Amino acid sequence: AQSVTQPDIHITVSEGASLELRCNYSYGATPYLFWYVQSPGQGLQLLLKYFSGDTLVQGIKGFEAEFKRSQSSFNLRKPSVHWSDAAEYFCAVGLNQFYFGTGTSLTVIP
Amino acid sequence: GAGVSQSPSNKVTEKGKDVELRCDPISGHTALYWYRQSLGQGLEFLIYFQGNSAPDKSGLPSDRFSAERTGGSVSTLTIQRTQQEDSAVYLCASSLTSIFSEQYFGPGTRLTVT
Repeated sequence: AQSVTQPDIHITVSEGASLELRCNYSYGATPYLFWYVQSPGQGLQLLLKYFSGDTLVQGIKGFEAEFKRSQSSFNLRKPSVHWSDAAEYFCAVGLNQFYFGTGTSLTVIP
Repeated sequence: GAGVSQSPSNKVTEKGKDVELRCDPISGHTALYWYRQSLGQGLEFLIYFQGNSAPDKSGLPSDRFSAERTGGSVSTLTIQRTQQEDSAVYLCASSLTSIFSEQYFGPGTRLTVT
């Protein structure tokens, strides 16, 4: 069955530190892969997406993600976190259906 | 321009009643999606329309749930004989072309079944 797993429910990092949010998926074929962010009181916003080509994808707000087929992973990274990055992050996959992970809540300590 | 709109914003209904939820996508967006978010849960995909057709309806939780889209625009999600476990926020999203394009989410309809 198709599924998306975000193992970390909540992560706390200091401002300026690096960040990696994990995402693993199970899908019959190689799906489209996405990361969305939901800031407090805001709707979901697309950070980046991947289907084919270069496995390292650049997104908005300085985020990047790397697709690793062998690990069925699509982890999100940022070299230096800003206080405004505090939000809920969702990994998602889809082709004819669409699956979101349960999200990772990011807290940034000043 | 206007974003995705959903109506009603809140709906309280008695168990066993039918409810209809409406979604108005962004004008020109060909793809439309319905999700359900229960308390403390992630987004549960329900159905996706490309134009007026849904390639896969297997995400609908039961045969009490149905969805349609007409004219490539407005979509309605109907829940028949509502149950308490149907209580959730129902989110609609639209995207410009295919499932690969960015989804823009509506504010949701909060459904409470008493």
